[in-house]
Amino acid sequence: KAGVTQTPRYLIKTRGQQVTLSCSPISGHRSVSWYQQTPGQGLQFLFEYFSETQRNKGNFPGRFSGRQFSNSRSEMNVSTLELGDSALYLCASSPTPQNIQYFGAGTRLSVL
Amino acid sequence: QKEVEQDPGPLSVPEGAIVSLNCTYSNSAFQYFMWYRQYSRKGPELLMYTYSSGNKEDGRFTAQVDKSSKYISLFIRDSQPSDSATYLCAMSASSGTYKYIFGTGTRLKVLA
Repeated sequence: KAGVTQTPRYLIKTRGQQVTLSCSPISGHRSVSWYQQTPGQGLQFLFEYFSETQRNKGNFPGRFSGRQFSNSRSEMNVSTLELGDSALYLCASSPTPQNIQYFGAGTRLSVL
Repeated sequence: QKEVEQDPGPLSVPEGAIVSLNCTYSNSAFQYFMWYRQYSRKGPELLMYTYSSGNKEDGRFTAQVDKSSKYISLFIRDSQPSDSATYLCAMSASSGTYKYIFGTGTRLKVLA
């Protein structure tokens, strides 16, 4: 069974640009969560989607948004990038929101 | 006070040592307790999970949950250099407002 797939693995952008990250969950998993991981802050919860609906949202500015498609694939978008957005962005999937989460390898975003 | 507290380390031990990693938490609603291992520049990998109190063993790894003390532990026996990684505890509550909370991670280095 294939794991959680995140694309791209690496991204380099400049300040002010926008970026879209993609996540394909484990087959049969309908819940997708996104996290930002930085050395200083650890894992910070961004948002969670289930059945194309955002169920929970973390404490991030509106520049961070996401969506989920009918096939459970999810995308997150960051607009007007700032230097502080440089981080490892992780996607995790689970069969339902209350279940154990399984992570992808992450997308490493560098903002110059 | 954070809901989940985890000593960031780093923790350095000689090969073959028994390693003890711990987390404390404050929310008595947590029912699922997970341990993830994260190698440098990779996504977290689920190691073990337990429901409610008790012990669970898997090979060299043992997870313990003491709900009365709000304390969870991961023991690694016969530690190997390949165990060098960051270990994250996580916990979730399925009643009331659903939460999936991570500790900040403990960096472990096993010296050959």
